[in-house]
Amino acid sequence: DAGITQSPRHKVTETGTPVTLRCHQTENHRYMYWYRQDPGHGLRLIHYSYGVKDTDKGEVSDGYSVSRSKTEDFLLTLESATSSQTSVYFCATRVSYNSPLHFGNGTRLTVT
Amino acid sequence: AQSVTQLDSQVPVFEEAPVELRCNYSSSVSVYLFWYVQYPNQGLQLLLKYLSGSTLVESINGFEAEFNKSQTSFHLRKPSVHISDTAEYFCAVSLNTGFQKLVFGTGTRLLVSP
Repeated sequence: DAGITQSPRHKVTETGTPVTLRCHQTENHRYMYWYRQDPGHGLRLIHYSYGVKDTDKGEVSDGYSVSRSKTEDFLLTLESATSSQTSVYFCATRVSYNSPLHFGNGTRLTVT
Repeated sequence: AQSVTQLDSQVPVFEEAPVELRCNYSSSVSVYLFWYVQYPNQGLQLLLKYLSGSTLVESINGFEAEFNKSQTSFHLRKPSVHISDTAEYFCAVSLNTGFQKLVFGTGTRLLVSP
């Protein structure tokens, strides 16, 4: 949807290793977001970006960092993965502040 | 800060029966409201939205939601559900001033059985 590709789609990693998830969009949307989805919590915002090199923290940003060097790419890095970061991660984009979000299909991350 | 409450985590219903999924929000200022649907192993898709104007909004597949400012609610309804409506539904809210983050509820799983 809206040309959003998340990679990888599935990943299993060990505790303590760094992990980078990639979100690539082809719609030239200004705003990009990373959410995590967990049962009973819905979607919670990790980080977001309102332009190239402009990023900010969401409500559950501890243990995560992001980078946006190009409009089309938004990277999420788990600096040292923990089991509590096992989740499904969704990238989303938005044209403007009052437009709906467009979501990718998610990345299922398992930290063992 | 704004927040969203979806009281029902799961709603079972028979095919062709009506359904209402409840959403209440909390905000001290005006908001935009959204309903998203998530089918298994997929991302969320926009179902409908309220930005301004008519308080009753409709989707192309028969869902509707009504913005009720006095009750701070945005309940989702459908008069007759299909098996294919089985999915998880998320209500979301953002403030309508400047750049604002979208805050999601915890979701309601709609289970339609024959």
